[in-house]
Amino acid sequence: GAGVSQSPSNKVTEKGKDVELRCDPISGHTALYWYRQSLGQGLEFLIYFQGNSAPDKSGLPSDRFSAERTGGSVSTLTIQRTQQEDSAVYLCASSPQIGRTDTQYFGPGTRLTVL
Amino acid sequence: RKEVEQDPGPFNVPEGATVAFNCTYSNSASQSFFWYRQDCRKEPKLLMSVYSSGNEDGRFTAQLNRASQYISLLIRDSKLSDSATYLCVVNMSGNKLVFGAGTILRVKS
Repeated sequence: GAGVSQSPSNKVTEKGKDVELRCDPISGHTALYWYRQSLGQGLEFLIYFQGNSAPDKSGLPSDRFSAERTGGSVSTLTIQRTQQEDSAVYLCASSPQIGRTDTQYFGPGTRLTVL
Repeated sequence: RKEVEQDPGPFNVPEGATVAFNCTYSNSASQSFFWYRQDCRKEPKLLMSVYSSGNEDGRFTAQLNRASQYISLLIRDSKLSDSATYLCVVNMSGNKLVFGAGTILRVKS
């Protein structure tokens, strides 16, 4: 079946612009995660959605970052007034059920470059 | 101190060699542990979970030492296709995974 998809695959933007990154999780997966990975670094947790519960936003680095998940499926991560340090690969993952963190399936990521 | 620490490597080994990676974690209350594999410019993929009793999957063996708060991954009979970055992953609380920065393995013929 289809895996996690993300769009765009690459995004180049100018400093100060807003960007929106999209994630389509695997159908039926209730949990959705956003991470970012800077060059040569590990994955940094950003935000977690589980069903209709309030999202865990504890990893968002600043108030320029926000995310929403509509209808329990598609999620968008928005970065306002982008800065050069926001350049990274943004990865989305989904998981079929709560408590099964070993079954996170990752999308291919969006490579964001802020000039 | 980082929550999850790994030797970044790279580990350069010949085909057929046995190689081992360790990873340490800071939160003694952590409950779940995993190794993920990430190929260059690709997304991470689950390699194996790590159980308290240790577990093996083909050429791969994972072990957990709770007392010393470290996890290990042993790869026997290394193949060229094993070349990748190996990420140590720990569930610190709830459903939040903390990823190590990864250990680079290069298997050469």
